[in-house]
Amino acid sequence: AQKITQTQPGMFVQEKEAVTLDCTYDTSDPSYGLFWYKQPSSGEMIFLIYQGSYDQQNATEGRYSLNFQKARKSANLVISASQLGDSAMYFCAMREGAGYGGSQGNLIFGKGTKLSVKP
Amino acid sequence: NAGVTQTPKFQVLKTGQSMTLQCAQDMNHEYMSWYRQDPGMGLRLIHYSVGAGITDQGEVPNGYNVSRSTTEDFPLRLLSAAPSQTSVYFCASSYSANYYNSPLHFGNGTRLTVT
Repeated sequence: AQKITQTQPGMFVQEKEAVTLDCTYDTSDPSYGLFWYKQPSSGEMIFLIYQGSYDQQNATEGRYSLNFQKARKSANLVISASQLGDSAMYFCAMREGAGYGGSQGNLIFGKGTKLSVKP
Repeated sequence: NAGVTQTPKFQVLKTGQSMTLQCAQDMNHEYMSWYRQDPGMGLRLIHYSVGAGITDQGEVPNGYNVSRSTTEDFPLRLLSAAPSQTSVYFCASSYSANYYNSPLHFGNGTRLTVT
């Protein structure tokens, strides 16, 4: 069963508008972390934001925020005031606690969403 | 401020050839891993290591070998290259596999083509 699901293969957003990239996850481990990475066309993987399963507040990092709905097992990335440089692939990933249910603490990725920002 | 260093950046192999992708990190991270990235598939884990002398298989280990003789280095060996191994390979590290809150730090990737 897929542990990380990103249902939007591609999305468009107008420059300066906000956009939400969807991510749902599946785990029975009470301790886990959720991550978002950005991959621009140059290919490098850039860590954007982290949310822990016990965190009470949604994570924020500059223009990035994570809409964490634990009961729904969703961790959507919100980018405010989109810029042309935000055009990239975005990956949602999850890390379970090592040792729980056979987990080795590896990071599991979704298939990604390609975001295109229109001028 | 090197972080995770991967070499080479590009490589072309013929079917049946072998090669080693190098990965080194200078952050004293216990955990290291190799992923491959294929279009529409996200990143899939090939092998990982939770410390020097300890390695294990990930989701797609066939055709690859790893070793971890030092904390810093985690080379990936292709034993007999096949066209199906054409991909972009990423090495990544983090402080420890025991801390689910530690992000992976990635190298810049190796684009491998097998003809």
